[in-house]
Amino acid sequence: QVQLVQSGAEVKKPGASVKVSCKASGYTFTSYDINWVRQATGQGLEWMGWMNPNSGNTGYAQKFQGRVTMTRNTSISTAYMELSSLRSEDTAVYYCARGGYSGYDFAVWGQGTTVTVSS
Amino acid sequence: QSALTQPPSASGSPGQSVTISCTGTSSDVGGYNYVSWYQQHPGKAPKLMIYEVSKRPSGVPDRFSGSKSGNTASLTVSGLQAEDEADYYCSSYAGSNNFEVVFGGGTKLTVL
Repeated sequence: QVQLVQSGAEVKKPGASVKVSCKASGYTFTSYDINWVRQATGQGLEWMGWMNPNSGNTGYAQKFQGRVTMTRNTSISTAYMELSSLRSEDTAVYYCARGGYSGYDFAVWGQGTTVTVSS
Repeated sequence: QSALTQPPSASGSPGQSVTISCTGTSSDVGGYNYVSWYQQHPGKAPKLMIYEVSKRPSGVPDRFSGSKSGNTASLTVSGLQAEDEADYYCSSYAGSNNFEVVFGGGTKLTVL
């Protein structure tokens, strides 16, 4: 079945970087964009950006530009999201989500990766 | 881009209907027919319920429907069931050079 499986929980110190992976299976990885969405505890969803696995093209939310990098390895059908200069406010669950019907809706989601930023 | 505006809570009794609103601007909700709705149960990943304003993915009950008027989109849940109790989020394409998407703040739906 179509699924996205993310890497495990991370604990980082302020100022460090984190890289979360998202492995796709059950479909052609290069056929759909991968988006990243985060959710702080008790808060709403926040879109971070997208990546086209075929071309490698990316688009980032203005809030994260300069701090986020989205990449992929097509040979293993895996997308990556790296966030740098971490601060406590970056503590959240990070989801990868596959584009669905229009490209601006997310039909398939990973299980989420908890990133905790703490000194 | 600012988040879309949703009421923090909504409620209804089993069998009733409830409508959740999602207000944006002409730069997002009002400018494109790319409004989506997601259902999220505690501790779970979101699930796509409506895309392109009013279309339902396969497997989503027809009790869920979406619409849009101007800068406000709406999700209606008819024939409320206990399992509909969850958080609901709207999202919209917001244009720009980065093809941005913006989410609403979420609405907690309680089935009384």
